[in-house]
Amino acid sequence: LAKTTQPISMDSYEGQEVNITCSHNNIATNDYITWYQQFPSQGPRFIIQGYKTKVTNEVASLFIPADRKSSTLSLPRVSLSDTAVYYCLVGDIATGRRALTFGSGTRLQVQP
Amino acid sequence: EAQVTQNPRYLITVTGKKLTVTCSQNMNHEYMSWYRQDPGLGLRQIYYSMNVEVTDKGDVPEGYKVSRKEKRNFPLILESPSPNQTSLYFCASRPQAPTEAFFGQGTRLTVV
Repeated sequence: LAKTTQPISMDSYEGQEVNITCSHNNIATNDYITWYQQFPSQGPRFIIQGYKTKVTNEVASLFIPADRKSSTLSLPRVSLSDTAVYYCLVGDIATGRRALTFGSGTRLQVQP
Repeated sequence: EAQVTQNPRYLITVTGKKLTVTCSQNMNHEYMSWYRQDPGLGLRQIYYSMNVEVTDKGDVPEGYKVSRKEKRNFPLILESPSPNQTSLYFCASRPQAPTEAFFGQGTRLTVV
């Protein structure tokens, strides 16, 4: 199972773009990369998922280089409400056998 | 509305008194799992289930049991709770492929 490494914490200001990078050197061919957001005492919430190159949705972008050994979650123009913990996960798409395995996450603090 | 429902939300119990935390999903998902979350340790997987009557251990299964008799329900059973099982518990479900997972509201358990 691919292990992920993320920064423990990051600080930003409202209106800035935030990029959180995740390292997953042992990612397997069938693994997808998924990011979740979690607010205190709430369950994680899906943000975005990708396999390679770039994926964009209404809240974030996910950049994955060709070797797929890392990925970067990009949050454009963050607000105070983006203060949360962000988790990067990798998981098998072929069988879905392994459930989601969370690492320690990155605690993002957005200042006014 | 698509949702994962856990009950109870809060529970205080005494050491050794058997308890069950229920989890139910209305999305016909094959995959369900349980996590516990403790300060500084992130989310750790307890058990997961790929379908009815198919369950497997996660990273911290000791002291817990699960069952999957129906697709929609995945109860977590603590046969003899101990204080080190005091934690915040989350149930999650998703389709067979590792796409977006949906999490319950959480159950805060205190064992005294």
